[in-house]
Amino acid sequence: DGGITQSPKYLFRKEGQNVTLSCEQNLNHDAMYWYRQDPGQGLRLIYYSQIVNDFQKGDIAEGYSVSREKKESFPLTVTSAQKNPTAFYLCASSIDLFGETDTQYFGPGTRLTVL
Amino acid sequence: AQSVTQLDSHVSVSEGTPVLLRCNYSSSYSPSLFWYVQHPNKGLQLLLKYTSAATLVKGINGFEAEFKKSETSFHLTKPSAHMSDAAEYFCVVSALGGDMRFGAGTRLTVKP
Repeated sequence: DGGITQSPKYLFRKEGQNVTLSCEQNLNHDAMYWYRQDPGQGLRLIYYSQIVNDFQKGDIAEGYSVSREKKESFPLTVTSAQKNPTAFYLCASSIDLFGETDTQYFGPGTRLTVL
Repeated sequence: AQSVTQLDSHVSVSEGTPVLLRCNYSSSYSPSLFWYVQHPNKGLQLLLKYTSAATLVKGINGFEAEFKKSETSFHLTKPSAHMSDAAEYFCVVSALGGDMRFGAGTRLTVKP
């Protein structure tokens, strides 16, 4: 099956801890994205990556970090510097970065709760 | 720069009646427009997309949307709602060289 997987589905974190959310795709897509979803606010872009070893900050990158060591993988670390990390996190990929007609395909999401 | 406004945060319809979810957009360039659906605690699934071809776009599950440049709108419709259509719907605008901008979402409730 081709697609995007995210793990874990649910994640609980104590304040002051860093946590890493996994995102893997086997679609052979070059571009990958991380979004944060809060109720009533739609999706906001955290980080994106066009190719391996390259990534850029999105609209709300503060308190987050990413890496892109492999084409298939784009893990997101939520650091203790993120003041309000409780949210639903969605990973996506597309053939090209923000291609005009390109479609982004989404993973099932990870719900992070800070205790 | 582009942006998108979903005019209703919540729409409630009865099963078997038409669905209308409204979306207006703003874009400096000819945009691409998408509708995604999200069921609870799930990722987003593409319903349909407009990419400067036919202005009436047909998607999955009987949904369709019409691109109206003069009104800067891309409303989503379905002739007859089904219980399984209950979900959150997102309108998205994208333009060449720009990122995708998501609307705040419209929650669709379908009553039996």
